[in-house]
Amino acid sequence: GENVEQHPSTLSVQEGDSAVIKCTYSDSASNYFPWYKQELGKRPQLIIDIRSNVGEKKDQRIAVTLNKTAKHFSLHITETQPEDSAVYFCAADTGRRALTFGSGTRLQVQP
Amino acid sequence: DVKVTQSSRYLVKRTGEKVFLECVQDMDHENMFWYRQDPGLGLRLIYFSYDVKMKEKGDIPEGYSVSREKKERFSLILESASTNQTSMYLCASSFQSQPQHFGDGTRLSIL
Repeated sequence: GENVEQHPSTLSVQEGDSAVIKCTYSDSASNYFPWYKQELGKRPQLIIDIRSNVGEKKDQRIAVTLNKTAKHFSLHITETQPEDSAVYFCAADTGRRALTFGSGTRLQVQP
Repeated sequence: DVKVTQSSRYLVKRTGEKVFLECVQDMDHENMFWYRQDPGLGLRLIYFSYDVKMKEKGDIPEGYSVSREKKERFSLILESASTNQTSMYLCASSFQSQPQHFGDGTRLSIL
């Protein structure tokens, strides 16, 4: 089955800096890659996603890049703010509509 | 807005009990999912369902079963609860290949 690895497990940045979280996947059939943000005590919320026919997608301060050849994808957050502090999860879908998640990255934005 | 409702936020049960976790969605989604979330392991797929009375095993189905008698409701059953099933359980739903929407989760403790 699919295996998704996520790095780093924790990330601390200063407010205004950029943050990058990286994920690799194992199954070349994976074709959908969402990113979820989970604040403490709350449900995971989709923040951005990308499909395998696209190399990059951007939504304001958030962007995701996908390299199908290398089987990795990354989340980029620019101009970080304290409210970006949360746990971020990457995931991959091989087409069965169910997701395989990475282990999560705890992002701390220091004011 | 999609609403996925899990019947309990917190639940305490004893070893050997049969435990039912309920999930209801209000958007006529055909796909429903059960995950468990543990620190450092991310979200792991237990079971999912594409339609009424259909079920598919996820990555960690051992010790669990599911029931989908109506389209809006997906139940997770712990046949004989054990302490290693203490975890946060998250339900999600989606329409076709659209993003998954999560419930608030049930924190289950098995004593």
